[in-house]
Amino acid sequence: SQTIHQWPATLVQPVGSPLSLECTVEGTSNPNLYWYRQAAGRGLQLLFYSVGIGQISSEVPQNLSASRPQDRQFILSSKKLLLSDSGFYLCAWRVTNEQFFGPGTRLTVL
Amino acid sequence: GIQVEQSPPDLILQEGANSTLRCNFSDSVNNLQWFHQNPWGQLINLFYIPSGTKQNGRLSATTVATERYSLLYISSSQTTDSGVYFCAVPKYSGGGADGLTFGKGTHLIIQP
Repeated sequence: SQTIHQWPATLVQPVGSPLSLECTVEGTSNPNLYWYRQAAGRGLQLLFYSVGIGQISSEVPQNLSASRPQDRQFILSSKKLLLSDSGFYLCAWRVTNEQFFGPGTRLTVL
Repeated sequence: GIQVEQSPPDLILQEGANSTLRCNFSDSVNNLQWFHQNPWGQLINLFYIPSGTKQNGRLSATTVATERYSLLYISSSQTTDSGVYFCAVPKYSGGGADGLTFGKGTHLIIQP
């Protein structure tokens, strides 16, 4: 069966520091991968999606970037964090039409 | 993109009660999912239901694609049903590889 991992689970970072969140999927090949952010405990916003290695589509202009260096690895990054980057970041994968989500990373920027 | 509205935004019920959650969407879709977000933030897949009716234990869902709405029914509520319920559809009509648009959710509290 397929599983999706995210790390770290929680992260507290100062403003201006860099960020790297990692997502890996097991048990499937060539999945579509997604990054979402949830702010204030309600509603998820799509940030990036990828249909293959090196292919990234950005949905919202922002302080973040994404990369897909391997088939089942998706990375969310920032060079300098802003207070507004705080939130709950969820990675998701899709093979057919249904999306499945990882456990998420809770990021607090101070 | 497609807009999603969920109602009610908040719902407080006693254990054992039944409830109906509604999701309206602004354009035709070929994909609709219901999720339950538990207190730890985990999004749990409840139903993939672009049309028709499905049942899973005390939960069932119906999507009427031609009228652009979906309903989630919870019967004999338990305290473990508490959390936020989200409806999500593809960002754009016709679907594709792009991601999902989520409603703002229904925050359900089941009191013992």
